[in-house]
Amino acid sequence: NAGVMQNPRHLVRRRGQEARLRCSPMKGHSHVYWYRQLPEEGLKFMVYLQKENIIDESGMPKERFSAEFPKEGPSILRIQQVVRGDSAAYFCASSPRRAPGDNEQFFGPGTRLTVL
Amino acid sequence: SQQGEEDPQALSIQEGENATMNCSYKTSINNLQWYRQNSGRGLVHLILIRSNEREKHSGRLRVTLDTSKKSSSLLITASRAADTASYFCATSTGTASKLTFGTGTRLQVTL
Repeated sequence: NAGVMQNPRHLVRRRGQEARLRCSPMKGHSHVYWYRQLPEEGLKFMVYLQKENIIDESGMPKERFSAEFPKEGPSILRIQQVVRGDSAAYFCASSPRRAPGDNEQFFGPGTRLTVL
Repeated sequence: SQQGEEDPQALSIQEGENATMNCSYKTSINNLQWYRQNSGRGLVHLILIRSNEREKHSGRLRVTLDTSKKSSSLLITASRAADTASYFCATSTGTASKLTFGTGTRLQVTL
């Protein structure tokens, strides 16, 4: 049973380019979460998705960032017109259900985005 | 302070000693989870404790939860060099499924 998979593991972009980060949840998991981690800091929630639905995007910047989790295929976090401040590690997590009392999340290895 | 704040920020101990990390939070929670992150790597889930539980064990790990004080502690017994990592607590609150992470405790275990 493969864990959460993310690709690419490292991504370098120049300012103004687009970054696309992919996340495949664990088998049987239909809930996906994206978090961002700046150097020496904890993870900050960005967005929570189920298949074809954005459930909570309260942590997403209002501009340039978008996320989707289509019926088929991985979840995508898309950052348009990247700036140096977007440089961070982006982690995806998945869980099998949403019940608040039992939402153990399993994390992928992360994508480290560097904006030059 | 943030929801989920760990103390101490950094801890250095010798192999074989016990390591205790604390986490404080501000609002009522559904559960509290502890994660480990090795340098430059992803997070590994260690243990989840629900709001109606007071203590939980898993191998060399012991987690306590005191909802009256809004705090939790993670004890690692008989530490090993391989335990060197950052440890984060994360809380789940209300109907939200997102986790709110603390700033982490960096544990260094030396031989």
